[in-house]
Amino acid sequence: SYELTQPPSMSVSPGQTARITCSGDALPKKYAYWYQQKSGQAPVLVIYEDSKRPSGIPERFSGSSSGTVATLTISGAQVEDEADYYCYSTDSSGNHVVFGGGTKLTVL
Amino acid sequence: QLQLQESGPGLVKPSETLSLTCTVSGGSISSSSYYWGWIRQPPGKGLEWIGSIYYSGSTYYNPSLKSRVTISVDTSKNQFSLKLTSVTAADTAVYYCARLTKGAAGSLFDFWGHGTLVTVSS
Repeated sequence: SYELTQPPSMSVSPGQTARITCSGDALPKKYAYWYQQKSGQAPVLVIYEDSKRPSGIPERFSGSSSGTVATLTISGAQVEDEADYYCYSTDSSGNHVVFGGGTKLTVL
Repeated sequence: QLQLQESGPGLVKPSETLSLTCTVSGGSISSSSYYWGWIRQPPGKGLEWIGSIYYSGSTYYNPSLKSRVTISVDTSKNQFSLKLTSVTAADTAVYYCARLTKGAAGSLFDFWGHGTLVTVSS
């Protein structure tokens, strides 16, 4: 079955740029979406349709997609950005949703 | 404002059936623009899509759960439901219901319920 692959963890210092990748064979034709989940809280959408930012999400969050890799970029990461980040998309049929395994971002 | 609320038992015995209902308020589940879905998250683990349903009853399931999952819709009550059979401790998770805006190139979960913890234990 279809899979999306994310790095399990990454660490950056405050003010640095964090880039979290999500790899999947269908990404050239299907959008990627990104959720942020802080400990004990429900997921919050931070990027949709590869690169669009919902209202209320800081401008330091951006998204891009090229070929089979989608990337969430946090420019000038803040301590409050420390969280788990999940990408998701659909398979080539568009009918089955798949989540990436999640990336634990540490900012310290 | 659209709201989704999960309801159902918080404790289920192993080998039994987990049953949850999602009640939609502030909008119609019969809207042709949306699907409705279930997502779960075991403690300390990642998000997993369980399946989605259209108001007509058309369903799509995660292949890894398909043999045990049934999602149904009751348009008269503006609700949709999840049944997961033969549960084990591995099915212990927070279960979320969500609205899915399905497009040609992607599907957005744009509204979520708060989630409900279901524990599988004797």
